[in-house]
Amino acid sequence: QVTLKESGPGILQPSQTLSLTCTFSGFSLSTYGLGVGWIRQPSGKGLEWLANIWWDDDKYFNPSLKVRLTISKDTSNNQAFLKITNVDTADTATYYCVRMNYGGSADYWGQGVMVTVSS
Amino acid sequence: DIQVTQSPASLSASLGETVTIECRASEDIYSNLAWYQQKPGNSPQLLIYDANDLADGVPSRFSGSGSDTQYSLKINSLQSEDVASYFCQQYNNFPFTFGSGTKLEIK
Repeated sequence: QVTLKESGPGILQPSQTLSLTCTFSGFSLSTYGLGVGWIRQPSGKGLEWLANIWWDDDKYFNPSLKVRLTISKDTSNNQAFLKITNVDTADTATYYCVRMNYGGSADYWGQGVMVTVSS
Repeated sequence: DIQVTQSPASLSASLGETVTIECRASEDIYSNLAWYQQKPGNSPQLLIYDANDLADGVPSRFSGSGSDTQYSLKINSLQSEDVASYFCQQYNNFPFTFGSGTKLEIK
């Protein structure tokens, strides 16, 4: 059974760095063709793809945020990480961690973690 | 970036009806398209991948079709549990991009 769960700070102030952790089970990020992605959704709005990391450590970032994003993984502990630097109120959203299959669709989603940026 | 235009933004239909949601990509995405269902208060769930392949556990009343730049999701025999928002997503090119969503309600 594949599960993913996001964790994060809940609330942070503008200009701080947002650190998110995805802890997953039921698959390994060393398996050929698999990846973990991060997607966010402001309340009541649509979905935005942020970044993903693949089994071979290949990484892709949304160009609109690339300079602010870092993605990494800890294969041994079944975790993936996303950092967003210099946050502002526009980064307030629910952040989802997803498993990606080789094709690129997100076949499993975490429950999401709400992040609020406020002074 | 590939733009994905989804329509309609909202849809109201009766139980048992058939509904269709469409997505148009700004360039050929070679069937690299997925559909997701997001019920109120929940995470999105994969319905369809590769334009027309049903994800595990998804009822057969859901189907996807299309090619090139035009894709559609059809829901046959609408059930009350289908009340949700539906999103398409292209994964032909990064950054992967989503349609703006369709909110489906029951009349």
